[in-house]
Amino acid sequence: DQQVKQNSPSLSVQEGRISILNCDYTNSMFDYFLWYKKYPAEGPTFLISISSIKDKNEDGRFTVFLNKSAKHLSLHIVPSQPGDSAVYFCAAPSSYNTDKLIFGTGTRLQVFP
Amino acid sequence: KAGVTQTPRYLIKTRGQQVTLSCSPISGHRSVSWYQQTPGQGLQFLFEYFSETQRNKGNFPGRFSGRQFSNSRSEMNVSTLELGDSALYLCASSLGEGAGEKLFFGSGTQLSVL
Repeated sequence: DQQVKQNSPSLSVQEGRISILNCDYTNSMFDYFLWYKKYPAEGPTFLISISSIKDKNEDGRFTVFLNKSAKHLSLHIVPSQPGDSAVYFCAAPSSYNTDKLIFGTGTRLQVFP
Repeated sequence: KAGVTQTPRYLIKTRGQQVTLSCSPISGHRSVSWYQQTPGQGLQFLFEYFSETQRNKGNFPGRFSGRQFSNSRSEMNVSTLELGDSALYLCASSLGEGAGEKLFFGSGTQLSVL
């Protein structure tokens, strides 16, 4: 039962262009979402988050959009840089007062020159 | 401020053996959680400890266990290893103040079961 889904295992984008990573969820009780970035041989690092009371959150080149009616969120990276090449995971807390996160399977982003 | 430290970094074991992995959280963090990462499966939650008490547990067999010490350091143990236990085991720490709080991950322990 995959409650958080990332249907694109990989994405390849040219440097300077926009990268759009998608995430779908099935549990309408989720009210907070996080994106993590993971480089090889390192642990995931927090990137950006969004609360369900918002439909957009921006932090520099990274913007996350949330469409609650569609149970869909997306991460936009503009402009994409080669250093952004990594695996990106979206995640949602399973419930209040817990660090248990439900992760998607990840999307490997490759930014080429 | 030192990050989350996991030891060992790599481990090779054979089927049937047991293994203990260690995690030292960021100073001041009281919550430690463990995740298993396998190719194509993303990160699967194992368990979470807060102030030495297991606060949450994932859907893993009883061969997987853990504990947390009074200094917040945590260990996880896997007994009777199976080939399918080969994975990257990640530890994460936080203040433990509730859902949505950022987790800080260690670099993981790569376990290979032969």
